[in-house]
Amino acid sequence: SYELTQPLSVSVALGQTARITCGGNNIGSKNVHWYQQKPGQAPVLVIYRDSNRPSGIPERFSGSNSGNTATLTISRAQAGDEADYYCQVWDSSTANVVFGGGTKLTVL
Amino acid sequence: QVQLVQSGAEVKKPGASVKVSCKASGYTFTSYGISWVRQAPGQGLEWMGWISAYNGNTNYAQKLQGRVTMTTDTSTSTAYMELRSLRSDDTAVYYCARGVVGGWYDDYWGQGTLVTVSS
Repeated sequence: SYELTQPLSVSVALGQTARITCGGNNIGSKNVHWYQQKPGQAPVLVIYRDSNRPSGIPERFSGSNSGNTATLTISRAQAGDEADYYCQVWDSSTANVVFGGGTKLTVL
Repeated sequence: QVQLVQSGAEVKKPGASVKVSCKASGYTFTSYGISWVRQAPGQGLEWMGWISAYNGNTNYAQKLQGRVTMTTDTSTSTAYMELRSLRSDDTAVYYCARGVVGGWYDDYWGQGTLVTVSS
């Protein structure tokens, strides 16, 4: 089955740029979606289809996808961006959705 | 505004079944699907499956095939997820989410339902 690999944790200084990666075999050929989840809350979609932002998501959030790595970039990181972030794809070989293991973002 | 409101917390014994509901409002129910995702305590997100609210077609996670059933009631814009033969490792928060047809992503989520399986 298809696997997505995310770093367990990423730290970023306040106001700097955070990059969270999501690795998978030829992930560049798939549509990647990203969710933000704060403690005790439901996930929130922040990027869909690699690089699209839903309405209400700040422009500071952006995404890219190429080769074997998709990346969620958070510019000018704020304390309120501290959360767990999950990438997600559709695996056509199993006809199942796959989530990455999640990355905890800490803003220092 | 789009809302998904789930039923309340449940406590079940091993071997029992649980049925969680998810009432949708603020959009045309049959134009989207409903995904179900669960999260065990301190763990990541696990996809359980998806149901088309248009025609009832389902797609279940291979791991849960045979134990899970997803249904919808279009007259009340409500989706249901039933999980049978519960085990302790089914203890989790269960989320429903509005699934974008053809996109395989979820743009609005319910508040979650805690299901605890304990003897």
